[in-house]
Amino acid sequence: NAGVMQNPRHLVRRRGQEARLRCSPMKGHSHVYWYRQLPEEGLKFMVYLQKENIIDESGMPKERFSAEFPKEGPSILRIQQVVRGDSAAYFCASSPLTSSSYEQYFGPGTRLTVT
Amino acid sequence: GQNIDQPTEMTATEGAIVQINCTYQTSGFNGLFWYQQHAGEAPTFLSYNVLDGLEEKGRFSSFLSRSKGYSYLLLKELQMKDSASYLCAVRDSNYQLIWGAGTKLIIKP
Repeated sequence: NAGVMQNPRHLVRRRGQEARLRCSPMKGHSHVYWYRQLPEEGLKFMVYLQKENIIDESGMPKERFSAEFPKEGPSILRIQQVVRGDSAAYFCASSPLTSSSYEQYFGPGTRLTVT
Repeated sequence: GQNIDQPTEMTATEGAIVQINCTYQTSGFNGLFWYQQHAGEAPTFLSYNVLDGLEEKGRFSSFLSRSKGYSYLLLKELQMKDSASYLCAVRDSNYQLIWGAGTKLIIKP
């Protein structure tokens, strides 16, 4: 059973460009979470999605950031007009529809560098 | 507001025991998680507590006191590979995970 997959693992963008980060949850998982982590800091929740629905986007910046989890295909975190402050590791996690512990399984992360 | 507090960094000796504390103030409580994160890698699940008491899993144990808003992770027979950050996270009343900043554990020979 493949784990959570994220791609690309490393992404370099110039200021003003767009960044697209992809996440394929574990098989059978229908809940996806996106987190941002700055160096030497903890995880910051961004958004929680289920298929075709954004459940909670309270951690997402109001501008330039968007996320989707379509019926078919991976979840996408999109950052428009990137700035240097967007440089961070972005982790995706998934959990199953039913679980006694609702444990989240993390992908390897995408490390975004804005130059 | 919601708050998770952990020490920033701890140092311990190979073969010894270390206890990493976590205190929390959240809107509701639906379980507490401990994750391990090696530098540059993804967090991996260690333990889950929803009832008061101690959960033991090999060299790692986790304790919870809901009335005190307190948990600890106990690591025994420390190995060099245990050098990592340990993240405490609490699921609140909306089933959202609130994360602490993590405790960086340094193991010395």
